Amino acid sequence: AQSVTQLGSHVSVSEGALVLLRCNYSSSVPPYLFWYVQYPNQGLQLLLKYTSAATLVKGINGFEAEFKKSETSFHLTKPSAHMSDAAEYFCAVSERGGYQKVTFGTGTKLQVIP
Amino acid sequence: DADVTQTPRNRITKTGKRIMLECSQTKGHDRMYWYRQDPGLGLRLIYYSFDVKDINKGEISDGYSVSRQAQAKFSLSLESAIPNQTALYFCATSERGTGTYNEQFFGPGTRLTVL
Repeated sequence: AQSVTQLGSHVSVSEGALVLLRCNYSSSVPPYLFWYVQYPNQGLQLLLKYTSAATLVKGINGFEAEFKKSETSFHLTKPSAHMSDAAEYFCAVSERGGYQKVTFGTGTKLQVIP
Repeated sequence: DADVTQTPRNRITKTGKRIMLECSQTKGHDRMYWYRQDPGLGLRLIYYSFDVKDINKGEISDGYSVSRQAQAKFSLSLESAIPNQTALYFCATSERGTGTYNEQFFGPGTRLTVL
């Protein structure tokens, strides 16, 4: 069985500060990992994905995430927060092969303070 | 034009009513999904379909049914709505096959309120 834990349902950062959103996963096989972003009144859109090609993954809007197998983590970072980054972020894990079921975390709401 | 559309976008209904939420996609994907989103609970899978003849229950299918009318259309029904089905509902699609990583593409959501 696979699962995802996102630490912190709400995170606040000042504009220009580092953004760090934490995600730990559990999977019995090497997984695919994703970060999605949800802006108010919108659906989810993909920020970035880990598919084993490289452990440091760069996504849209300056975000990146590092896959650390030893820590079973896939934390999302951005060096400098922008007001437009305020949104809810979801980490997700997917099986490889078979039905490739995707399991989502409970989400982290990012607030950016001017 | 949006690749995944959902209708209606908002719906208020009463307990016991039958409700249908519709999803259409122009991405040509075989796989379609229905999720519900509740505050603090993230997204939970209701049903998923890998093609027109392959429909599967997700983790919270009780009280819901689905119909895959065509590759591009996947409808979710609440036969007798109850207040705890008040939530934000999302449809999503993905490609079939290995090497596609199962990236999902989401519609804009339907906000359903059951009074």
